[in-house]
Amino acid sequence: GQNIDQPTEMTATEGAIVQINCTYQTSGFNGLFWYQQHAGEAPTFLSYNVLDGLEEKGRFSSFLSRSKGYSYLLLKELQMKDSASYLCAVRDWGPQGGKLIFGQGTELSVKP
Amino acid sequence: DVKVTQSSRYLVKRTGEKVFLECVQDMDHENMFWYRQDPGLGLRLIYFSYDVKMKEKGDIPEGYSVSREKKERFSLILESASTNQTSMYLCASSFLGGQPQHFGDGTRLSIL
Repeated sequence: GQNIDQPTEMTATEGAIVQINCTYQTSGFNGLFWYQQHAGEAPTFLSYNVLDGLEEKGRFSSFLSRSKGYSYLLLKELQMKDSASYLCAVRDWGPQGGKLIFGQGTELSVKP
Repeated sequence: DVKVTQSSRYLVKRTGEKVFLECVQDMDHENMFWYRQDPGLGLRLIYFSYDVKMKEKGDIPEGYSVSREKKERFSLILESASTNQTSMYLCASSFLGGQPQHFGDGTRLSIL
């Protein structure tokens, strides 16, 4: 079966660092995506990992371990505007690049 | 910037009605997708299309159909709306292969 797990909620303090974990068990693997979604808005693309290791993009980094079925999103120097839902999605094999399977999302609240 | 436009932000329909949700993208993307998003369940794929007149069932296609007559437009059809189809519907598009999906702002559909 297909299963993607992430914590439902997290709280962190402005200026701090937070790590959002994602574990997956899928029949195929063709890359892992992280999206950010503010309340009432569309999800926006943050990062993509297909090989093991760390991808850094400004204040955001994403890590992947394919052997462990594990990824995390690291947010540094947290700002109030980072309060949002963070979605982990695994791309399965399939026609034209496969489809995405999403986790339930992690609701991050950043407090002053 | 990629623009994915959904025809309505909010829509209220009655049980048994035939409902059309329209999505247009302006980036010449081959792939287009329809998801629904429900609290606690995350995004679930209804249908997707990787070419004009082509369609593939996602994870929850029952009660829905789709139409892709032109490359830029992907329509979701609720043949006979039911209350359990009340949800947020999100359209997305992407290039072939491993490219990230870009989402529209969503249509919040209520079936009374």
